[in-house]
Amino acid sequence: NAGVTQTPKFRILKIGQSMTLQCTQDMNHNYMYWYRQDPGMGLKLIYYSVGAGITDKGEVPNGYNVSRSTTEDFPLRLELAAPSQTSVYFCASRSPGTAETNYNSPLHFGNGTRLTVT
Amino acid sequence: RKEVEQDPGPFNVPEGATVAFNCTYSNSASQSFFWYRQDCRKEPKLLMSVYSSGNEDGRFTAQLNRASQYISLLIRDSKLSDSATYLCVVNLLYNFNKFYFGSGTKLNVKP
Repeated sequence: NAGVTQTPKFRILKIGQSMTLQCTQDMNHNYMYWYRQDPGMGLKLIYYSVGAGITDKGEVPNGYNVSRSTTEDFPLRLELAAPSQTSVYFCASRSPGTAETNYNSPLHFGNGTRLTVT
Repeated sequence: RKEVEQDPGPFNVPEGATVAFNCTYSNSASQSFFWYRQDCRKEPKLLMSVYSSGNEDGRFTAQLNRASQYISLLIRDSKLSDSATYLCVVNLLYNFNKFYFGSGTKLNVKP
């Protein structure tokens, strides 16, 4: 059971280049998320999805796009990379939880993509 | 004011010590609470969920105080391998997709 898998692990982009960060999960989780973490800071939500075909913006969506064509995959697209997008990106997923657990369902994270834009 | 606040530390303790961290949250509608550990340059990993009555998992004990809006994590008999950053995470009742992360408390366990 691989859990949440992200690729690539590292990437260096030049300003203005584009790339897609891949995320896939094999836990059949409906909910998927993209976060970025800057040094010494908490995680900030970029986009999230509650199921295939449904996505929504988080706190810091500018400069990013997402799609969710399948339950398993949730790629994050950077169209015109900027130095401010230098960060570590984490994809996460979770189940909706159940009424019995009061919907207390934690996030499961991928191992991250370290992106540098120069 | 930040939604979730933690003392950044570092907490430097000897092996075998007991150490406690607190985390305060600002939104009284917070519903679910978690402690994660994050090793340097790695992904956050779930340490434990925090339940209303408090819960224990081996050397780790988590408590929730809704009246004062804080959660705590107690680590007994610290091991070198406990050295990490501990993240407090809070989820809101009316927006179950909104998770707020603290900036983390760094723990260094020394031999």
